[in-house]
Amino acid sequence: QQQVKQSPQSLIVQKGGISIINCAYENTAFDYFPWYQQFPGKGPALLIAIRPDVSEKKEGRFTISFNKSAKQFSLHIMDSQPGDSATYFCAARAGGSYIPTFGRGTSLIVHP
Amino acid sequence: DAGVIQSPRHEVTEMGQEVTLRCKPISGHNSLFWYRQTMMRGLELLIYFNNNVPIDDSGMPEDRFSAKMPNASFSTLKIQPSEPRDSAVYFCASSLQGGRTEAFFGQGTRLTVV
Repeated sequence: QQQVKQSPQSLIVQKGGISIINCAYENTAFDYFPWYQQFPGKGPALLIAIRPDVSEKKEGRFTISFNKSAKQFSLHIMDSQPGDSATYFCAARAGGSYIPTFGRGTSLIVHP
Repeated sequence: DAGVIQSPRHEVTEMGQEVTLRCKPISGHNSLFWYRQTMMRGLELLIYFNNNVPIDDSGMPEDRFSAKMPNASFSTLKIQPSEPRDSAVYFCASSLQGGRTEAFFGQGTRLTVV
């Protein structure tokens, strides 16, 4: 059972473009939504996270948009750079849990 | 701090052999996680330790898998006997405060069972 559905599976963007990755969830107990970035040969690393009391969080070129009623959240990468090429995972965690549920990942390639 | 350290980085073994993966968590972290990553299933949590005690091993696929944490600075994940379908990247991660803070991942062990 996939509790967090992530799309697209892969994404190719030109340098300077906007990369958008979407996630949807069903469990209304989720109250923390982190995004992880994974470079080849490395483990996932926390990139940015949001709680459902806000609709948007921005850190530099990375923005999370959150739609609680639709149970969807997305990652926007503005002015995408070749160095952003990586696999991105969305995740969700319930307040009573200690383990995030991960999406399947999106492989992003930014062409120079 | 050097972060979470895993060894070996790569392991190639024959089917039926025993495989042991090792992890040194970040000093001071009291929670440790083992994950498996495959193309088919993504990131799967195998087992979670808190203060060296296994708390949730429901993700361990079968009895061929076992994990131990004899002290706060060392954990092992053992597969015996190994099978080709065990081929994956295995990650160890550690965190503070029982997992309620973010986990830091190691670089992973790429296991290939032939």
